[in-house]
Amino acid sequence: AQSVSQHNHHVILSEAASLELGCNYSYGGTVNLFWYVQYPGQHLQLLLKYFSGDPLVKGIKGFEAEFIKSKFSFNLRKPSVQWSDTAEYFCAVNAGPTGGGNKLTFGTGTQLKVEL
Amino acid sequence: DTGVSQDPRHKITKRGQNVTFRCDPISEHNRLYWYRQTLGQGPEFLTYFQNEAQLEKSRLLSDRFSAERPKGSFSTLEIQRTEQGDSAMYLCASSPTGQDTIYFGEGSWLTVV
Repeated sequence: AQSVSQHNHHVILSEAASLELGCNYSYGGTVNLFWYVQYPGQHLQLLLKYFSGDPLVKGIKGFEAEFIKSKFSFNLRKPSVQWSDTAEYFCAVNAGPTGGGNKLTFGTGTQLKVEL
Repeated sequence: DTGVSQDPRHKITKRGQNVTFRCDPISEHNRLYWYRQTLGQGPEFLTYFQNEAQLEKSRLLSDRFSAERPKGSFSTLEIQRTEQGDSAMYLCASSPTGQDTIYFGEGSWLTVV
């Protein structure tokens, strides 16, 4: 079974600080990896995804993530956060193309608060 | 708005009552998913449909839960004899067949009192 660990449950940063949120997964086969964001009062939105190819993927709003297969990690980064990045961030994984549909396994989320 | 639509957005019910949630996926999305999210946790997979066929059900989906997608378009999730532990947000999502990105609705909050 797949599982996802997000070790930072709450993160508080000042504007312009750099961000890195950790995500580790457990699954030995081919995986697809995602970061979703949930802004206050809004639905889950896709931030970025990795299927194959370049392990450094860029998403919306200046976010990027790096897939390190040897570490089973997919950490999310942003060089300079803004107050509007305050949200909850979820890492998710699903098994490769033959896995059960697009069923996702989510981590417990990281609540990010950016202070002015 | 052409996103995933869920109704109702909020529901408060007494323990023991039945509740039903509806989900309208993005047009032409063949796959439809139900997830449950409780406070402090990430969404947990409940079930998914490929068109009208229910292809997988989580062990989280007890006998009191039933989901349908009769015509391969909208879906309903019914919870019978609700319990306080059913209080959660129920998320619906959809995706086109063969594409691995799924799109979520805003969710339906259930509070069982």
